[in-house]
Amino acid sequence: DAGVTQSPTHLIKTRGQQVTLRCSPKSGHDTVSWYQQALGQGPQFIFQYYEEEERQRGNFPDRFSGHQFPNYSSELNVNALLLGDSALYLCASSPRRGWETQYFGPGTRLLVL
Amino acid sequence: LAKTTQPISMDSYEGQEVNITCSHNNIATNDYITWYQQFPSQGPRFIIQGYKTKVTNEVASLFIPADRKSSTLSLPRVSLSDTAVYYCLVGEPNSGGYQKVTFGTGTKLQVIP
Repeated sequence: DAGVTQSPTHLIKTRGQQVTLRCSPKSGHDTVSWYQQALGQGPQFIFQYYEEEERQRGNFPDRFSGHQFPNYSSELNVNALLLGDSALYLCASSPRRGWETQYFGPGTRLLVL
Repeated sequence: LAKTTQPISMDSYEGQEVNITCSHNNIATNDYITWYQQFPSQGPRFIIQGYKTKVTNEVASLFIPADRKSSTLSLPRVSLSDTAVYYCLVGEPNSGGYQKVTFGTGTKLQVIP
């Protein structure tokens, strides 16, 4: 049973560009959350998707947007990249129903130059 | 969401038992306590979760007093591979699928040979 997978593993972009990160949830999970983790900090919640809609959002600007597909996979899009967007982006999945905590993927390391 | 407070860092020698305490004074009735472990450049890994008293699995034990205002993660006989950051989180693991998890800065555990 594959866990949460993310792609790509690493990415280098320049300021002003746009980026798309992808996530496939753990089998049986239908809820996907995205987190940003700057170096030396704990993960910060960006938003959560369920039934292809954004359900909760953290304190992030509209430059950060997402999408969830019918197969529960998800994308995180960041527009007009800033140097401060350099971070490890983590995807976590969980089941909407039932008793289970979130499981995290390995993350995508984004470097903005 | 209940705020948590943990020590920023801890050192321990190999083979010793390590106890990391987390304070969560405003924990709500439906909140559970979850601990994650994170290695550099990897996603957080679920360790253990509990509601009250004591929970034990193959990796760790979690002690929760009756008032639930704190909890202690216990790692028996640590090895060098246990060097990581440990996060304590408090919240409902499944609140209608709209679970928003907030991480603090965590406790950086350094195991010394």
